[in-house]
Amino acid sequence: QPVLTQPPSASGTPGQRVIISCSGSSPNIGRNTVTWYQQVPGTAPKLLIYESDQRPSGVPDRFSGSKSGTSASLAITGLQSEDEADFYCSTWDDTLNGVVFGGGTKLTVL
Amino acid sequence: QLQLQESGPGLVKPSETLSLTCTVSGDAITTGRYYWAWIRQPPGKGLEWIGSVYYVGSASYNSSLKSRLSISVDTSKSQFSLNLRSVTAADTAVYYCARHFNGPLGTTHYFDYWGRGSLVTVSS
Repeated sequence: QPVLTQPPSASGTPGQRVIISCSGSSPNIGRNTVTWYQQVPGTAPKLLIYESDQRPSGVPDRFSGSKSGTSASLAITGLQSEDEADFYCSTWDDTLNGVVFGGGTKLTVL
Repeated sequence: QLQLQESGPGLVKPSETLSLTCTVSGDAITTGRYYWAWIRQPPGKGLEWIGSVYYVGSASYNSSLKSRLSISVDTSKSQFSLNLRSVTAADTAVYYCARHFNGPLGTTHYFDYWGRGSLVTVSS
């Protein structure tokens, strides 16, 4: 069982706003920053959000991240067909002393 | 532009050792603040961090794999390697190598560059 909990699926129509949640606990999200990755099936994951709310250069500002307490969220506005992918949250866990991931959320653009 | 490339056998027999190497190009493997990581993804499943190594050789491992695992670095070749002993079918996965940023306070960790991945199947 993944340490971080994500909904297995999410969906939206083009132009809509979608939010993907990531739930953890005190030793992980509660004390550390959150990272989000986007993975198109058959390819390597791509860094999407780091330090909970920072975007690497080249990532559209339609993607934004936030964190509150032991939960984090990824918001995608102006949904596009090319956004269809799997999304993973990740952070450090102070108890496990390692990097942990969520189980992933499959985003479908209807 | 930093690039990482995994290499190694695509098929390993049960109970044997899975060995993979990642070659880093485009930047020094000795860059401070960065570790070098292995992450795997079983077919149709999510991501699992295996472990990370710093260029001086110190490593941190996933506790669930630690007893079977060693990760090492060869700075002269700009490579780091994974050895996973006594493999079973559950170790069948795509294995990714990646650059691992570890922030100064230890509260920020992320993988910013990834290799393409190497599928390793454990089967007799």
